[in-house]
Amino acid sequence: AQSVSQHNHHVILSEAASLELGCNYSYGGTVNLFWYVQYPGQHLQLLLKYFSGDPLVKGIKGFEAEFIKSKFSFNLRKPSVQWSDTAEYFCAVSGGSTLGRLYFGRGTQLTVWP
Amino acid sequence: EAGVTQFPSHSVIEKGQTVTLRCDPISGHDNLYWYRRVMGKEIKFLLHFVKESKQDESGMPNNRFLAERTGGTYSTLKVQPAELEDSGVYFCASSQGVSLSTDTQYFGPGTRLTVL
Repeated sequence: AQSVSQHNHHVILSEAASLELGCNYSYGGTVNLFWYVQYPGQHLQLLLKYFSGDPLVKGIKGFEAEFIKSKFSFNLRKPSVQWSDTAEYFCAVSGGSTLGRLYFGRGTQLTVWP
Repeated sequence: EAGVTQFPSHSVIEKGQTVTLRCDPISGHDNLYWYRRVMGKEIKFLLHFVKESKQDESGMPNNRFLAERTGGTYSTLKVQPAELEDSGVYFCASSQGVSLSTDTQYFGPGTRLTVL
């Protein structure tokens, strides 16, 4: 079965600091990789996804993620965070025979101080 | 375009009672998913409907959970009888197609279930 690990449960940053959230997955086949975000009081929404091609994926609001196949990683980055980035971030993977089914990590709560 | 909606937003019930959660997907989305997040843990898949058929229900925890999607529109998830460990946030998501390389799962706001 596929699984996803997010190593940071809570990250606290000041505005303008750089962000990197770790995500590792376990699955040997072809995968689709996702980052979802849940802002306070809002729905989970897709931030970005990777399914093929350029391993550096750019998403909304200045976020990007890099797929490193050899490391089974899909880390999320942003060069300069804003207070409005305070949210919970979820890494997810799908693939193989369980088409459509998403496997999520535990989530990382990001708090950005102004 | 209306997003995925869920009702109720919160439910507090006692152990042994029954609760029914409802999800209305985005209009035209054939694929509907239920997920659950127990506090502090990952969001876990429960099941997947394609129209009114259960495509994958391997994530359902036990036979106290019953999901239906009559007519292929809205879906209900009934828990009967509820146990303490059923507490958590139940998310519904929908997508037009099943391939996540081309389609996106859109999530509802979730229903927070508390079993006392």
